[in-house]
Amino acid sequence: AQKVTQAQTEISVVEKEDVTLDCVYETRDTTYYLFWYKQPPSGELVFLIRRNSFDEQNEISGRYSWNFQKSTSSFNFTITASQVVDSAVYFCALSEGINAGNMLTFGGGTRLMVKP
Amino acid sequence: GAVVSQHPSWVICKSGTSVKIECRSLDFQATTMFWYRQFPKQSLMLMATSNEGSKATYEQGVEKDKFLINHASLTLSTLTVTSAHPEDSSFYICSARHSNQPQHFGDGTRLSIL
Repeated sequence: AQKVTQAQTEISVVEKEDVTLDCVYETRDTTYYLFWYKQPPSGELVFLIRRNSFDEQNEISGRYSWNFQKSTSSFNFTITASQVVDSAVYFCALSEGINAGNMLTFGGGTRLMVKP
Repeated sequence: GAVVSQHPSWVICKSGTSVKIECRSLDFQATTMFWYRQFPKQSLMLMATSNEGSKATYEQGVEKDKFLINHASLTLSTLTVTSAHPEDSSFYICSARHSNQPQHFGDGTRLSIL
């Protein structure tokens, strides 16, 4: 069965600090997709990234970067030079199979608080 | 990009009332829609998956007679919480996908039962 673990329930940093949110997953499938979503206080889910299991290249998008390591079943998310607007709950999620739209299993989420 | 509209965004009602939540795909045909529930400070949990024209598939522990899902068209799915009670108070989020494309999420519905 698939499972996603986000060991950090809450992280507090001061603005401009770098922060890494951890995500570890379990799956028996060789084909799967990994996602990160941001959930601000207003509640909507904001899509950040999707990665398939065959693409281990790290990705950078502005201040955001992702490190996908199949050897450790991890898909960690780093925010560089954090800002107050980054304060939110971040979810890592997994879907199994070749279909990128299959049901998602979410991790427990990490609440990030960035203080000015 | 693909847009999913969820309505209403916030509902407050008395215990025993039935509440209907709509999920619409605005610019694509949603062959599959998902309904998730999120209790305060918890993660999102899948409640059910519905394919257009078929009965929904419910996750273990979700009462199908209490959470009625209708997916009668390619752009609309509804979730009806029947005889809602305070323990049903939660944040309900739908998502929709076309064929094998990734899911797109609605903005969620905050349900408060008094």
